Amino acid sequence: SQQGEEDPQALSIQEGENATMNCSYKTSINNLQWYRQNSGRGLVHLILIRSNEREKHSGRLRVTLDTSKKSSSLLITASRAADTASYFCATDETGGGNKLTFGTGTQLKVEL
Amino acid sequence: DSGVTQTPKHLITATGQRVTLRCSPRSGDLSVYWYQQSLDQGLQFLIQYYNGEERAKGNILERFSAQQFPDLHSELNLSSLELGDSALYFCASSVWGQEGEKLFFGSGTQLSVL
Repeated sequence: SQQGEEDPQALSIQEGENATMNCSYKTSINNLQWYRQNSGRGLVHLILIRSNEREKHSGRLRVTLDTSKKSSSLLITASRAADTASYFCATDETGGGNKLTFGTGTQLKVEL
Repeated sequence: DSGVTQTPKHLITATGQRVTLRCSPRSGDLSVYWYQQSLDQGLQFLIQYYNGEERAKGNILERFSAQQFPDLHSELNLSSLELGDSALYFCASSVWGQEGEKLFFGSGTQLSVL
């Protein structure tokens, strides 16, 4: 079963613009992570935010977490064509055992 | 390169057959996770092993089994294959940091059941 639902399902922007993706989840979490997947390849870890954090930055990435709304957003600033990929949120559920539950993903296309 | 190695990259087989997917985790990582990714189900957690022992189980069918060997490599066995088993199968190993556990994924095995 999917813990996270991501919105939008697909996003197309011009290079240089910002891209925002949202993730909603259902249960209490220890942390929330974002991963990136290039077409047909393995997922790559981008950033982790703990349940007691509200915002985190890493390079051009900014993640926010609102545990009261059970939602997170990933902002990619000054996007590049190389950012074209699918982006997934993944939750480490409280009491969920040692596994990450992934969302449905957002397909981002950055056009030149 | 994540350091996680999966073989084979592609596998084409027929319904009813049995296949074995292999995964070598990053050097020093004790955990191996298996995930299945398909268009209709998304990315589904199957099973996790830690230092040879099963640690957590997810949506793994009874026709599927896995194990982790003393050298820490893992194998996922899929039997009595059905068309719906066609998917990308990933394994991942993990590292624990101050913030929590992060996964490193292999490139996956694309399974096509015809």
